[in-house]
Order: sequence, then C-alpha cells, then structure tokens
Amino acid sequence: AQSVTQLGSHVSVSEGALVLLRCNYSSSVPPYLFWYVQYPNQGLQLLLKYTSAATLVKGINGFEAEFKKSETSFHLTKPSAHMSDAAEYFCAVGGGGTSYGKLTFGQGTILTVHP
Amino acid sequence: DVKVTQSSRYLVKRTGEKVFLECVQDMDHENMFWYRQDPGLGLRLIYFSYDVKMKEKGDIPEGYSVSREKKERFSLILESASTNQTSMYLCASSLGTGGTEAFFGQGTRLTVV
Repeated sequence: AQSVTQLGSHVSVSEGALVLLRCNYSSSVPPYLFWYVQYPNQGLQLLLKYTSAATLVKGINGFEAEFKKSETSFHLTKPSAHMSDAAEYFCAVGGGGTSYGKLTFGQGTILTVHP
Repeated sequence: DVKVTQSSRYLVKRTGEKVFLECVQDMDHENMFWYRQDPGLGLRLIYFSYDVKMKEKGDIPEGYSVSREKKERFSLILESASTNQTSMYLCASSLGTGGTEAFFGQGTRLTVV
C-alpha cells in the first residue's frame, strides 16, 4: 500500500520569499514521486517527477524537489515566489510493475503569495 | 501535446438521475482513470482501466460504474445520483506501467440537487 502526507493544508509566503511545500510518503516498493499544480477551475499539471534517477529533480516554473529515502520525503521548493505561483499543489506516489500507473495523492496544499 | 477532454465542465443533476461523465484522450494511452476531488481530501481514485473492456475498482467505487469500449474513451456512470456525489471529477490517462505521469482533463464539477 502507498500513502502520501502533505504537511500544511495552507502555506502563505511573500512575493520573493522561499517556497517550501512538504511531502512525506509511504511505499512498500521503490516509489515514483510526482508534484502536480492545479490553478483555479483547471485540471492538474505536472510540475516534476522522480523516477529513481537523480535525487534532486528540477521541474517547470523554477520548482525543484529532493528525494530523501532515509526521511521518506519529497519536499517541493522554489527560491523566490511569484504571484503566479498561487495555486494548489499535490504530491503523489506511484509504484512500478503492475500498478498500471495508479497514483495516490496527498490532501493538497494551497499556496498563497502576498505582494 | 497530450489532450484529455472531459465532455462537460459543469453539470447539475437531480437526485436519482443516471449521470454519464465522458472522457476522451488522444495519445493512445493504455491507462485511464477517474478521480474524485474534494477539499481537504485530495484526489481519490474511483476506478481505472488498463485496457479496453478492462476495469478495476479504486479506493471509492461505491455508487459508481465505468465503461471502456474503445481505447480512447472512458466513461464514469452514476447509476442513481445522490447529493453526496456532488464533487469535482477528474479524468486522467497514462502510458503503460508505473513511472509515467498521468495527464489530466479540465475536470467536471457535478452538483446533485
């Protein structure tokens, strides 16, 4: 079984400040990990993914995430927040083999960016 | 670009109605999924399909059924809609087995009155 916990349902930062969104996972098999972003009234868009290559993964819009197996974490960061980053962010875990690409999602974190 | 298209952005249905949500993808993906999104609960998997006519239950299948007669199309059916099925429904598709990302449609916001 797999699960994801996102710490903090709401995160608020000032424009230009560091963004840190936390994600911890549980998986009985080597995980594939994903971060998605959802803007209001839209579907989910992939930000980045970890698939057992480099542990530091760079994504779109200046976001990156680091896979830490010892901490079972995959936190999302961005050095400098922009107003356009305001959205809801979802961490997800998937397994290999016969998982058929199923993803288990966290509860989501709403990011607010203040001027 | 992969495109996943859901037939409706907004739907309002009455309690007890049979409701069909349609989803079409244009990238020949094997896997298709229906998720339900509720505030504070994230996305929860209702059903998925890994091939034509093949389907498996997800985490919350009760009250729902699905149909996949063609590779590109995956339908979610609410046999008798209830108010607790008011939610955002998201369709997704992906290639093959694990490790590939899912591509999402725009979502259908269903209100059951």
